[in-house]
Amino acid sequence: EVQLVESGGGLVQPGRSLRLSCAASGFTFDNYAMHWVRQAPGKGLEWVSSISWSSGSIGYADSVKGRFTISRDNAKNALYLQMNSLRPEDTAFYYCAKGKSVASSYNWLDPWGQGTLVTVSS
Amino acid sequence: EIVMTQSPATLSVSPGERATLSCRASQSISTNLAWYQQKPGLSPRLLIYDASTRATGIPARFNGSGSGTDFTLTISSLQSEDFAVYYCQQYNNWPPYTFGQGTKLDIK
Repeated sequence: EVQLVESGGGLVQPGRSLRLSCAASGFTFDNYAMHWVRQAPGKGLEWVSSISWSSGSIGYADSVKGRFTISRDNAKNALYLQMNSLRPEDTAFYYCAKGKSVASSYNWLDPWGQGTLVTVSS
Repeated sequence: EIVMTQSPATLSVSPGERATLSCRASQSISTNLAWYQQKPGLSPRLLIYDASTRATGIPARFNGSGSGTDFTLTISSLQSEDFAVYYCQQYNNWPPYTFGQGTKLDIK
């Protein structure tokens, strides 16, 4: 069974940093692109970032470009999101999700992890 | 950026009836469209990909159709577990992937 488990969320002050992790199991991790999607409480879904199997193709939403960095460690079956210069509008549940193939593009997302809540507030 | 627009925002339907949800793209996305279901407190679940292919384990009462800019998710004979929020997502152009704002399906 494919499992994705996010961790690393919490309460952080504006301007500070946080690193999210996603532990993957149940599939050959380095055969798939991976993605981060966020959802502010009570709001809709917003794609954040994607990374191909080899880390050779990476993309970011304009809202996080230059502040967030996605990475992966295929030896550890792990996905990461380094979030710097956090803003109150970054407050959301952050989900990791598995892509459909090695490439970052042309992906639907399945499955999704349970999410981790990041709250940016002073 | 491709903008995805879902309608209606809220749809009230009685159990056993049919629900029709719409999703429109701001430019053609061929059939590169997915539908997700999200229940309160849970993460989204993939229902449909490539506009009309049901994901593994999804009941046959869920049907997707459309191509280009206009897409429909039809749920025939609604069950109690189907009342949730539904999102469409385009994956024709990346980055970014974009989602619709969601349609809440609730019990009439």
